[in-house]
Amino acid sequence: DGGITQSPKYLFRKEGQNVTLSCEQNLNHDAMYWYRQDPGQGLRLIYYSQIVNDFQKGDIAEGYSVSREKKESFPLTVTSAQKNPTAFYLCASSMQGSQETQYFGPGTRLLVL
Amino acid sequence: AQSVTQPDIHITVSEGASLELRCNYSYGATPYLFWYVQSPGQGLQLLLKYFSGDTLVQGIKGFEAEFKRSQSSFNLRKPSVHWSDAAEYFCAVGAGSSGDKLTFGTGTRLAVRP
Repeated sequence: DGGITQSPKYLFRKEGQNVTLSCEQNLNHDAMYWYRQDPGQGLRLIYYSQIVNDFQKGDIAEGYSVSREKKESFPLTVTSAQKNPTAFYLCASSMQGSQETQYFGPGTRLLVL
Repeated sequence: AQSVTQPDIHITVSEGASLELRCNYSYGATPYLFWYVQSPGQGLQLLLKYFSGDTLVQGIKGFEAEFKRSQSSFNLRKPSVHWSDAAEYFCAVGAGSSGDKLTFGTGTRLAVRP
């Protein structure tokens, strides 16, 4: 089955720790995205990538980093600089072009210990 | 830059009643418009989208939406709601000038009374 997988489903972070969220897609999509979802705030774009080895900051990139070494993979690292990381993180992918549908993974919930 | 407003944070309807969820956008040219649905703790699923042509768009699960340029709106409708429609609904706008990015509204949570 084609789709997007995210792992883990739940992730716990200690103070001062970096954590990495995985996102993999087998839809052969060029573009991939990371969103953060908080109650009452909708989805906010963290980073996006339109092609391998290239990515751009979204609206709330501070405290996050990404890489795009393979077309299928777009991992997100939540660094210790992100002071309020507790949220639901969603990964998406699409063909290139803003008229294209974005397909979403099931999400990762990050909690701070 | 484009923006999206969903003025209703929470709506409750009775099963079998009709539904309309409001979405207003701000963008200078013709936007690309989307409605997504999210069940609790899950990802988002596309219900329907508009980018040209007929302004009344049919989607999955019996939903439809109408693009009204004069009102900058893209409201989602369903003639008869089912209990399984209880979820959160997001309107989103994309624009050619912003590359592949979408801007999402803050969502409307739908509850269905038996």
